[in-house]
Amino acid sequence: KQEVTQIPAALSVPEGENLVLNCSFTDSAIYNLQWFRQDPGKGLTSLLLIQSSQREQTSGRLNASLDKSSGRSTLYIAASQPGDSATYLCAVRFYGANSKLTFGKGITLSVRP
Amino acid sequence: ETGVTQTPRHLVMGMTNKKSLKCEQHLGHNAMYWYKQSAKKPLELMFVYSLEERVENNSVPSRFSPECPNSSHLFLHLHTLQPEDSALYLCASSQAWKGLAGHEQYFGPGTRLTVT
Repeated sequence: KQEVTQIPAALSVPEGENLVLNCSFTDSAIYNLQWFRQDPGKGLTSLLLIQSSQREQTSGRLNASLDKSSGRSTLYIAASQPGDSATYLCAVRFYGANSKLTFGKGITLSVRP
Repeated sequence: ETGVTQTPRHLVMGMTNKKSLKCEQHLGHNAMYWYKQSAKKPLELMFVYSLEERVENNSVPSRFSPECPNSSHLFLHLHTLQPEDSALYLCASSQAWKGLAGHEQYFGPGTRLTVT
């Protein structure tokens, strides 16, 4: 069964810390992986989309890496700020799934001032 | 307006009511999606429409009835819901459904549904 796992479910860090959010998936046959941000009660905002042929993608203070063979991705957030507090969702597009995304449960991040 | 919009943003309904959720996309996309997001669970794909034709129905109870009158609009008709149906319902769209590597999905803000 194709699944996406994000552990831990919640994380609290002091402002300014560099942090890593983890995502693992059960099947290495993927087209791409996407990281989303979700603020409480709101929709999803796409942060980074990383294709299966890529090793990483960067946007500002965010860097996503992909290791397809081990079924892992990480989202690195540099110099965290209270405004980064949100839930971060990892989603994978597996082979044969057309445009269907399989989501993890998300990691709720709290950055303390 | 741009992107994907959803109305209403919040809805409270009784178990005997009938209501509808609306989604509209202004991106010229051909595929639209309904997702359910419950607490502590991953997003669950409910329905997918491609060129106004339903292409995915993931074992969703019949009390949820989707409608796609054209490629820009998607509705979710609700009737005789249960309290466990309370959740955030998200709509998304993508350029197309089929494709070797798939197409990126763009999400609306969601409708927070509470069934009393």
